[in-house]
Amino acid sequence: GAVVSQHPSWVICKSGTSVKIECRSLDFQATTMFWYRQFPKQSLMLMATSNEGSKATYEQGVEKDKFLINHASLTLSTLTVTSAHPEDSSFYICSARPSGLAGPTSTDTQYFGPGTRLTVL
Amino acid sequence: SQQGEEDPQALSIQEGENATMNCSYKTSINNLQWYRQNSGRGLVHLILIRSNEREKHSGRLRVTLDTSKKSSSLLITASRAADTASYFCATETVSGNTPLVFGKGTRLSVIA
Repeated sequence: GAVVSQHPSWVICKSGTSVKIECRSLDFQATTMFWYRQFPKQSLMLMATSNEGSKATYEQGVEKDKFLINHASLTLSTLTVTSAHPEDSSFYICSARPSGLAGPTSTDTQYFGPGTRLTVL
Repeated sequence: SQQGEEDPQALSIQEGENATMNCSYKTSINNLQWYRQNSGRGLVHLILIRSNEREKHSGRLRVTLDTSKKSSSLLITASRAADTASYFCATETVSGNTPLVFGKGTRLSVIA
């Protein structure tokens, strides 16, 4: 089946530093990827939609200057948490749907990465 | 924003019993999906049911969809301790590259 990887799987950083999280579709191309955030014992909340070759679309209340998204290729999207603070500590999960150019043909299913746990001290 | 509400929020049962979780949503959907998440881990896709389908089975899982009531249920039969996890429903409102909207989830505990 289709695989989406995330790197790193966990990261601990100091307050004020920036952290980059990578989301890769390993055996398919994805024009669009999605970034979600999950706080402890809560559900996933959509942060932004990452579009290859264009600007990301952010959900209301998500600061685009704080959460920088780059989707430079059909298999890679990155989320950079800039000037991280303890309240940014969360589980970040990406998902991708095959764009039909290659790989799995089921376009109804989105494939989720394993998540990245960010802890800001 | 969240589309779905899961019911119950938490469920504790004995091994071997059946577990039923419900999900309600607000807008018209293209499909509804159920996911499992073990504590601190990623999501596992369980089953997808399209808006024109009413019931689907996969192993010990049975999913129903009632679009008139905007609700779905997930039944896990003959539960096992390994089924202990959080279960989320997620809806896709339009076919294409749109995000999933997740419900709040049900935390299931299966006691051996």
